[in-house]
Amino acid sequence: DIQMTQSPASLSASLGETVTIECRASEDIYNGLAWYQQKPGKSPQLLIYNANSLHTGVPSRFSGSGSGTQYSLKINSLQSEDVASYFCQQYYDYPWTFGGGTKLELK
Amino acid sequence: QVQLKESGPGLVQPSQTLSLTCTVSGFSLTSYHVSWVRQPPGKGLEWMGVIWTGGSTAYNSLLKSRLSISRDTSKSQVFLKMNSLQTEDTATYYCARGAEIVMPTFDYWGQGVMVTVSS
Repeated sequence: DIQMTQSPASLSASLGETVTIECRASEDIYNGLAWYQQKPGKSPQLLIYNANSLHTGVPSRFSGSGSGTQYSLKINSLQSEDVASYFCQQYYDYPWTFGGGTKLELK
Repeated sequence: QVQLKESGPGLVQPSQTLSLTCTVSGFSLTSYHVSWVRQPPGKGLEWMGVIWTGGSTAYNSLLKSRLSISRDTSKSQVFLKMNSLQTEDTATYYCARGAEIVMPTFDYWGQGVMVTVSS
């Protein structure tokens, strides 16, 4: 199975700051990567697919990049509503697997 | 609008079988696949399995021996059955729709149902 390792596990940032979350795959996943946001007590929501494509309705301050085994999610100009946990998911191969998550809090 | 809603028992005894139902609306199960994803309390997400538009299934190899996913398209329902439950199966169980633009991602999720495995 492809292992997805996210870092950091938790992150504290100030409003207006730029935040970057990393996701490393145990093998090349050829951009088969998605990012999800999960607010406390809610279901996950799709943010990014194919490593760098923004899902419909997602604010443009979110962006994804990367290739091979290394991927990242960047949030520009952090807003209070961005406080959440973020998960990456690879779908290059079965079983589809998720990273352990990054919990983003306000400083 | 697109909706998914999970239902089932909140408490299951160890070694028993878990049965959950996902009732969908706003789309057809013959046009979109549906997966089950679970999340232990305070932990990450685990994809369990998928039922494709044609009715075929794929499972996480870690769960395959215990898991079965089926559907009733006339009732717009997807079913999960997992046997030999243990305490580590305590989690919130979600059903999620495969996104149209990239099918192995999930664009709509149910609210989730918390299942506790305990005697």
